Amino acid sequence: EAGVAQSPRYKIIEKRQSVAFWCNPISGHATLYWYQQILGQGPKLLIQFQNNGVVDDSQLPKDRFSAERLKGVDSTLKIQPAKLEDSAVYLCASSFLAGGRDTQYFGPGTRLTVL
Amino acid sequence: KQEVTQIPAALSVPEGENLVLNCSFTDSAIYNLQWFRQDPGKGLTSLLLIQSSQREQTSGRLNASLDKSSGRSTLYIAASQPGDSATYLCAVGAGTALIFGKGTTLSVSS
Repeated sequence: EAGVAQSPRYKIIEKRQSVAFWCNPISGHATLYWYQQILGQGPKLLIQFQNNGVVDDSQLPKDRFSAERLKGVDSTLKIQPAKLEDSAVYLCASSFLAGGRDTQYFGPGTRLTVL
Repeated sequence: KQEVTQIPAALSVPEGENLVLNCSFTDSAIYNLQWFRQDPGKGLTSLLLIQSSQREQTSGRLNASLDKSSGRSTLYIAASQPGDSATYLCAVGAGTALIFGKGTTLSVSS
């Protein structure tokens, strides 16, 4: 079966610019996650969707980050405006069940560098 | 607040050695614990998932144990190979999501 797809793989922008990341989860997976992984750290959950509804966005910096999941399939994560500390790898994952209760399958990630 | 700690942060071993990676967590109210592998520049690959009611899971040369009452898990890798070189991440399922440790970077030399 096809895995989780993400694009772009790499992005370099200047601070105060905007950027968007795209994720296509595994077919049939109701739950989609966006994680932020800063160098040397473990992934940190930004937002979790079940179908097209938000389950948890408590750690999403809502003043600059936004995410949507149209029709319960693909998802887009946007940062506007970007700050230097947003430099990280942004990982998308999907699972059949919600809330981390079963295996999560991760995409290759998007490495963002903010100059 | 749940915190996950992994020790050691880095480990170097010669090929063929058996090794143990450690993970500890502060709150025993978890519903599962998962071990992932991360290769440089790539996403995470799930290795083993242990439900809170289980004590261990095995897959090939990997064995993971869970002691929920003491807040500890170990990942045992038998007969290590250079291809095992990667960062290994432990994550606990609690609340609505997974909470990750910082990982142990393993290097296996031939």
